[in-house]
Amino acid sequence: DQQVKQNSPSLSVQEGRISILNCDYTNSMFDYFLWYKKYPAEGPTFLISISSIKDKNEDGRFTVFLNKSAKHLSLHIVPSQPGDSAVYFCAASAKTGGATNKLIFGTGTLLAVQP
Amino acid sequence: GAGVSQSPSNKVTEKGKDVELRCDPISGHTALYWYRQSLGQGLEFLIYFQGNSAPDKSGLPSDRFSAERTGGSVSTLTIQRTQQEDSAVYLCASSLAAQGRGETQYFGPGTRLLVL
Repeated sequence: DQQVKQNSPSLSVQEGRISILNCDYTNSMFDYFLWYKKYPAEGPTFLISISSIKDKNEDGRFTVFLNKSAKHLSLHIVPSQPGDSAVYFCAASAKTGGATNKLIFGTGTLLAVQP
Repeated sequence: GAGVSQSPSNKVTEKGKDVELRCDPISGHTALYWYRQSLGQGLEFLIYFQGNSAPDKSGLPSDRFSAERTGGSVSTLTIQRTQQEDSAVYLCASSLAAQGRGETQYFGPGTRLLVL
């Protein structure tokens, strides 16, 4: 049962255009969401996050939008750059009352930014 | 400062053998996590350590998997009697603490395990 879903395995955009990566989740207990970026042969690196009390968080070229009613979030990258080419993972965590902050990851979307 | 390091970077083993994977977290990080990524899958939580508390082992797929964290720093993930389905990239992450929300987890480069 995939609690965090990234339905697009890949996305190709032109340099300078907007990249929109989508993520859907099923667990209504999730209250914190993150995006990680992963280059080949490296571990994922944290990109941006959003708490469920917000619907938007912006950091430079990266903006994450959260639609709780639709259980959907998206990552916007604008303008896209060739160095943004990587696999992007959506992740979520739930406030379970325990201490574990384990992340539930989606399967990733491979973004290719064409020069 | 140094990030999370893992060793070995690659491991090829025969079915039925035991393997040990090592993780050195970022100095001062009290929380440590193990995840694995199988081919075509997202990262799957395995186990979590926080200070001297009992570890959260809820993600371990079978009793062939175990992990320990000595002295609150280095962690070792052991897989006994490896099976081909254990082939995956095993990732370790650490964070300053697990209390409070949003502690960023910093990942190591992973160990690529191939069981023949």
